[in-house]
Amino acid sequence: DTAVSQTPKYLVTQMGNDKSIKCEQNLGHDTMYWYKQDSKKFLKIMFSYNNKELIINETVPNRFSPKSPDKAHLNLHINSLELGDSAVYFCASSPQGTLKNIQYFGAGTRLSVL
Amino acid sequence: AQSVTQLGSHVSVSEGALVLLRCNYSSSVPPYLFWYVQYPNQGLQLLLKYTSAATLVKGINGFEAEFKKSETSFHLTKPSAHMSDAAEYFCAVSDSGAGSYQLTFGKGTKLSVIP
Repeated sequence: DTAVSQTPKYLVTQMGNDKSIKCEQNLGHDTMYWYKQDSKKFLKIMFSYNNKELIINETVPNRFSPKSPDKAHLNLHINSLELGDSAVYFCASSPQGTLKNIQYFGAGTRLSVL
Repeated sequence: AQSVTQLGSHVSVSEGALVLLRCNYSSSVPPYLFWYVQYPNQGLQLLLKYTSAATLVKGINGFEAEFKKSETSFHLTKPSAHMSDAAEYFCAVSDSGAGSYQLTFGKGTKLSVIP
């Protein structure tokens, strides 16, 4: 079973559309994250949730809205997509306790905005 | 604030040669340091971590890294490169925060292995 799974793997859409990316983890972790990896492979955190509560909210346009229906899921909704949103988006999760620093990543969602 | 600098965006080695990927960090508090590997079209996989225990850390696939506080470095090494090591490698430093630890990544080093 995949520990951190994201859907879809690929997403191609037109500018101005609204889209969602789903993430689920079956590791029993309390904390989940969304990262954006740009075309130069640079990884930057966008959001972090701990037990469904928003913990980290980096400087991200408010067109991006994370939603955590339960601690195993953290979905990312993007409104009014722009060309610059094209990137690979990674979901990750981490446990509590001394292993808190270790993050487990999904395989990524490659978003292409045309 | 914490930051990570990876020297060399692209490193090429011959198969069987030593692999050395450089990472320097900046942190106002004792850091936790990580190396992740990303194979083409895949997510990131943890190679190894330093969390204030032994300064020489061994990871998977024969990789190891040494934490040197005086040099603020955490370089990744492997004695003998294998073709399967070709991938993108990311060094990261963690920041403690309420409820979670934020990872700050370097810009990555692409490792190519020449047969």
